[in-house]
Amino acid sequence: QKEVEQNSGPLSVPEGAIASLNCTYSDRGSQSFFWYRQYSGKSPELIMFIYSNGDKEDGRFTAQLNKASQYVSLLIRDSQPSDSATYLCVPDNYGQNFVFGPGTRLSVLP
Amino acid sequence: ETGVTQSPTHLIKTRGQQVTLRCSSQSGHNTVSWYQQALGQGPQFIFQYYREEENGRGNFPPRFSGLQFPNYSSELNVNALELDDSALYLCASSLDDRSYGYTFGSGTRLTVV
Repeated sequence: QKEVEQNSGPLSVPEGAIASLNCTYSDRGSQSFFWYRQYSGKSPELIMFIYSNGDKEDGRFTAQLNKASQYVSLLIRDSQPSDSATYLCVPDNYGQNFVFGPGTRLSVLP
Repeated sequence: ETGVTQSPTHLIKTRGQQVTLRCSSQSGHNTVSWYQQALGQGPQFIFQYYREEENGRGNFPPRFSGLQFPNYSSELNVNALELDDSALYLCASSLDDRSYGYTFGSGTRLTVV
């Protein structure tokens, strides 16, 4: 089972700042990752999928993957209170089930 | 609107009863997984179906069972409900090309009293 480690938070950032969410993994076989966002009481929604070393940008979101150091991160620029949620880093398990950790709870303060 | 629909949205059952939760996926989504999420926890994998066959199961007892149907719908059955079964139950489906990830339904909130 592919698993990751995330700081459960809460991570608090002021509105307009950059929120940096980090995720480390131990399985060198992990090649690609999903970032999901989950609002309290709601279901997870897919934000990003990254499989190549380097950065992948989508609007205010940038996912970063460093396979040599075995970490993946999600940067949220110009953070808004509506970004307050739990962010889940999930390794792709190639046809098998996803293994979710508790994620990192982000709080963006107005 | 995610294209994955779950019913009912909320449910209250008594300990010892049986419950069936339903999920309707998008056309072409051959893989469906069910997850249980307790408060403050990440989703925990129950089982996965691919083209109507179970192809993976998490650490859940046999009283958790499921089915997947040819019309991309599926169901989760739980027998002999226990208080600890109270949770949000999530259905997630995906295409064979899973680079699109799983699409989750809005979930069913089950309360066992």
